Amino acid sequence: KAGVTQTPRYLIKTRGQQVTLSCSPISGHRSVSWYQQTPGQGLQFLFEYFSETQRNKGNFPGRFSGRQFSNSRSEMNVSTLELGDSALYLCASRPPGAGMSKNIQYFGAGTRLSVL
Amino acid sequence: AQKVTQAQTEISVVEKEDVTLDCVYETRDTTYYLFWYKQPPSGELVFLIRRNSFDEQNEISGRYSWNFQKSTSSFNFTITASQVVDSAVYFCALSDTPGANNLFFGTGTRLTVIP
Repeated sequence: KAGVTQTPRYLIKTRGQQVTLSCSPISGHRSVSWYQQTPGQGLQFLFEYFSETQRNKGNFPGRFSGRQFSNSRSEMNVSTLELGDSALYLCASRPPGAGMSKNIQYFGAGTRLSVL
Repeated sequence: AQKVTQAQTEISVVEKEDVTLDCVYETRDTTYYLFWYKQPPSGELVFLIRRNSFDEQNEISGRYSWNFQKSTSSFNFTITASQVVDSAVYFCALSDTPGANNLFFGTGTRLTVIP
């Protein structure tokens, strides 16, 4: 079974531009979460989508947005990029259903975004 | 508010030594979930273990073991007979949602195993 796939792996953008990152969850997983990892702030939760609806949101400005498609694939968008947005963006998916074995997030390798 | 503290920023051990990674958490919830993830240089977070707040049973998986103590709000991780492949950054995380879909991470501990 393929893992969580994130594309692209690396991106270089300049300040003021916008960027879209893509995440394909593990087959059958319907919940997708996004995290930002920076040396200064560590790993921080951005948002979570389930069945095309945002269910939870972290403490990030409105420049950070996301969406989920009917096939559970998710995209996140950052508009008006700032230098501080340089980070590793990680996507995670979770199996459907309840129970201990379901409440585990599986992560992709991330997209490393550099803002110049 | 939730908080996870990993006081050890970096640890270096010689191969075959045992090493314990500390994790202290704070939460007001009575039901919560604790996790350990490993992040190798490739960047992907690899799930290691999950614990529910109502299950304090310690767990051993091969060379890995976890000690969960609610009385001290700690969830420590021990690697026995460390190997070079264990070199990575290890994160402890906490979630208070039933689906554990919102993880609060500690700052991580970088473990280097020297051959």
